[in-house]
Amino acid sequence: GDSVTQMEGPVTLSEEAFLTINCTYTATGYPSLFWYVQYPGEGLQLLLKATKADDKGSNKGFEATYRKETTSFHLEKGSVQVSDSAVYFCALSGNNQGGKLIFGQGTELSVKP
Amino acid sequence: GAGVSQSPRYKVAKRGQDVALRCDPISGHVSLFWYQQALGQGPEFLTYFQNEAQLDKSGLPSDRFFAERPEGSVSTLKIQRTQQEDSAVYLCASSFGNGVWNEQFFGPGTRLTVL
Repeated sequence: GDSVTQMEGPVTLSEEAFLTINCTYTATGYPSLFWYVQYPGEGLQLLLKATKADDKGSNKGFEATYRKETTSFHLEKGSVQVSDSAVYFCALSGNNQGGKLIFGQGTELSVKP
Repeated sequence: GAGVSQSPRYKVAKRGQDVALRCDPISGHVSLFWYQQALGQGPEFLTYFQNEAQLDKSGLPSDRFFAERPEGSVSTLKIQRTQQEDSAVYLCASSFGNGVWNEQFFGPGTRLTVL
C-alpha cells in the first residue's frame, strides 16, 4: 500500500541555519504531496502542497519540490527561526481516494536562539 | 469564523467502557475525516464521510469502532469496549469539497487514555 517515510527527529538547529527534512513516498499512480505542521499546543495545519511532478510548493519561506524520479518531497528552509519549532508531517493523497491523507511519522524541529 | 471543534478534549476511560467522541466541522464543509494518532506517530486514517454518506471505513481497526454523521454535519466516533491499545489522539478534519484539491482543516483532537 501507499506509504510515507520521513527522517527521524528530533532535529535541533540554531537560528538562521538551513533546514532540510527528508521525505520519500511509495504510491501507485500520481499522488498529491503535502507538508503539515503542528505547533506546540495547536492542531495540524497545511504548510504547503504539490499536486504533480516537478511542482514546487512554498509558504512562509518553506519549499518542497515534487520529485517523481526519486519519489521524494523534501522540505527546505534557508534560514529557520525559533518560531519554526514544531513537528512537521509529510503526507500523500492518492488519486480517487476521496482525499484521505497518509502521513509519515513526523519530524520534530527545535530551533535554538 | 470557527474552525473544527472536537469534544471532549480529554477522555479517560476504564478498559471495557464505551466512549463517544464528537466532531463539529466547519459549517458547509462536505467532507469529514477521522484519524487516529498514537504517541510519537503520524495520524492514521480511520474513516471518511461525504455529507452523511460514509464512503470509506477501511481504516477502522476493528468492529468496536463505529462512526456516524447522520445529518451531514456533526460526526461521532464511538468506540465500544475500549482497550488499552485504543489510547491515542483522535483527530477530525473537514474540507469544503472532496478529493485532493480541497485543504483539510484539522480540529485540536481528543486525547483518549484507556486505563
